[in-house]
Amino acid sequence: QVQLQESGPGLVKPSETLSLTCTVSGYSISSGFYWGWIRQPPGKGLEWIGSIYHSGSTYYNPSLKSRVTISVDTSKNQFSLKLSSVAAADMAVYYCARPQGLGMQFDYWGQGTLVTVSS
Amino acid sequence: SYELTQPPSVSVSPGQTASITCSGDKLGDKYACWYQQKPGQSPVLIIYQNNKRPSGIPERFSGSNSGNTATLTISETQAMDEADYYCQAWDSNTWVFGGGTKLTVL
Repeated sequence: QVQLQESGPGLVKPSETLSLTCTVSGYSISSGFYWGWIRQPPGKGLEWIGSIYHSGSTYYNPSLKSRVTISVDTSKNQFSLKLSSVAAADMAVYYCARPQGLGMQFDYWGQGTLVTVSS
Repeated sequence: SYELTQPPSVSVSPGQTASITCSGDKLGDKYACWYQQKPGQSPVLIIYQNNKRPSGIPERFSGSNSGNTATLTISETQAMDEADYYCQAWDSNTWVFGGGTKLTVL
């Protein structure tokens, strides 16, 4: 059974960089698949942030592209998200998930981690 | 950029059929999927590739996709089906979510 777990600071100051890591168990990232980050502001809908292929190719939401970096560490079976210059609008629950299949649906999700942006 | 549009809310009586739509340009040419999200929980995939159900998802959940609209249908709706529902599609290495629909069972 594939499991994903987000980790990282729950509080980030405005203008600083948000950094989160997703640890995958039950599957080796280096074996294949894409891996992705999605966020959900309180009371709002889901927003795709970006995805990375196991080889390192990255795909970002155009609205966030200038501030987002996603990377993969196959030795630790982890992938990471960095979002720079955060503001109050970046406060959200951040999920990592695995997209797969013809429709690239997210079939496995982490439990999510709330990131608050405040000084 | 590609957009998917859902109605903000849908209401249904217990035992009746609920339909939630998701609209996007030529959505029928892509694969649509659907997620159910209950308060405080991560989204759960309930329909993928337009009309397939993952293991463990009840048969009362079904999907279709044609033209510009994908539809999630919940037959014999139960109180436990009250949740937020999101459609999603993949287009040119971009993942897109609909805005979500709150299903109320009353």
